[in-house]
Amino acid sequence: DAKTTQPTSMDCAEGRAANLPCNHSTISGNEYVYWYRQIHSQGPQYIIHGLKNNETNEMASLIITEDRKSSTLILPHATLRDTAVYYCIVRAGGSARQLTFGSGTQLTVLP
Amino acid sequence: NAGVTQTPKFRVLKTGQSMTLLCAQDMNHEYMYWYRQDPGMGLRLIHYSVGEGTTAKGEVPDGYNVSRLKKQNFLLGLESAAPSQTSVYFCASSPDRDYTGELFFGEGSRLTVL
Repeated sequence: DAKTTQPTSMDCAEGRAANLPCNHSTISGNEYVYWYRQIHSQGPQYIIHGLKNNETNEMASLIITEDRKSSTLILPHATLRDTAVYYCIVRAGGSARQLTFGSGTQLTVLP
Repeated sequence: NAGVTQTPKFRVLKTGQSMTLLCAQDMNHEYMYWYRQDPGMGLRLIHYSVGEGTTAKGEVPDGYNVSRLKKQNFLLGLESAAPSQTSVYFCASSPDRDYTGELFFGEGSRLTVL
């Protein structure tokens, strides 16, 4: 599985969009990009995933560059409850098996 | 639906003691996983199961055993606990589908080995 690189930490003002980058320059053609988050040592929570096209759901949007070497998770209107560690994961196929969690990005939403 | 339930949520052991963590899911999922998370680090896969009666090693399996006798339950055992096994343990499950990336996690079990 391709490795990912994320900033260690980021801040965002409440009500503004939070843009979390992820670099996965060695991604293969059959590898999906997944995003999870973990709020204060709770169990991780699935956010979104995608292969090539941009994806949007009720929680966030996922923007994948055309060459697929990087992606951005967008939380459109960040709230204090979005403060969490965000994990970007790359995994072959669509299966959730054996997702490998790195260190992630600590997002702090400031009032 | 309760989702994924882990018991116990907290436990303190002495070195050399044994214990079992229980994970139960009520979503009829085929796949189940045990992860551990040390302070300031990401999750690391210990063992996983792709169906009743089957188990497989993950990234950090040493010192742990697992069993999946029933589809809804996945047990993680420590035969002789060591201080290095002090961690937060998370169980997760997922359906047997290839088009979804969603793992469903429990709330964690915090284990301290003295």
